[in-house]
Amino acid sequence: DTAVSQTPKYLVTQMGNDKSIKCEQNLGHDTMYWYKQDSKKFLKIMFSYNNKELIINETVPNRFSPKSPDKAHLNLHINSLELGDSAVYFCASSPAGSYYEQYFGPGTRLTVT
Amino acid sequence: ELKVEQNPLFLSMQEGKNYTIYCNYSTTSDRLYWYRQDPGKSLESLFVLLSNGAVKQEGRLMASLDTKARLSTLHITAAVHDLSATYFCASNNDMRFGAGTRLTVKP
Repeated sequence: DTAVSQTPKYLVTQMGNDKSIKCEQNLGHDTMYWYKQDSKKFLKIMFSYNNKELIINETVPNRFSPKSPDKAHLNLHINSLELGDSAVYFCASSPAGSYYEQYFGPGTRLTVT
Repeated sequence: ELKVEQNPLFLSMQEGKNYTIYCNYSTTSDRLYWYRQDPGKSLESLFVLLSNGAVKQEGRLMASLDTKARLSTLHITAAVHDLSATYFCASNNDMRFGAGTRLTVKP
């Protein structure tokens, strides 16, 4: 059984479009995260939710909006896509707090043309 | 702002050799994580270090944490090809990751 799943795995789209990436975890974890990994492999946290409440909101453009319908899901919606948004986006989850390691999803490779 | 710095960023070593990867962080963190990422794959947790002086070992990898020096190390013993990957350290302080160390183990 997949612990943290993301859809789609690959996403190719044109500049200006709006797209969403979905994330689901079946581990019963309270905290979920979105990370962006650029072409140089730098990994940067974007958002963190704990029990559907936003707890980390790094400096990312307003075009990025996370949505957590329940604690098992954290979706990422991106408006007006730009070339610089091309990256791999990872969803992750962990039990409440930072005492535990995170479990990462397989990643979504977003290419904006 | 917290900075997490790893070195070296690239490491090429021969099988059977030992080496250490260093992770320095600039402000107080009471948790330090190590992750492994294979090319084109996701991240896999290796170690969670919870307190000063913590040492954890798994196979040929051993991680340690010195919170006073703000330093964590990942020591590789008798490297084998299967250890080739990128290794990241991360602080629980805003979940800041280091830049990663790309390790290549050659026969």
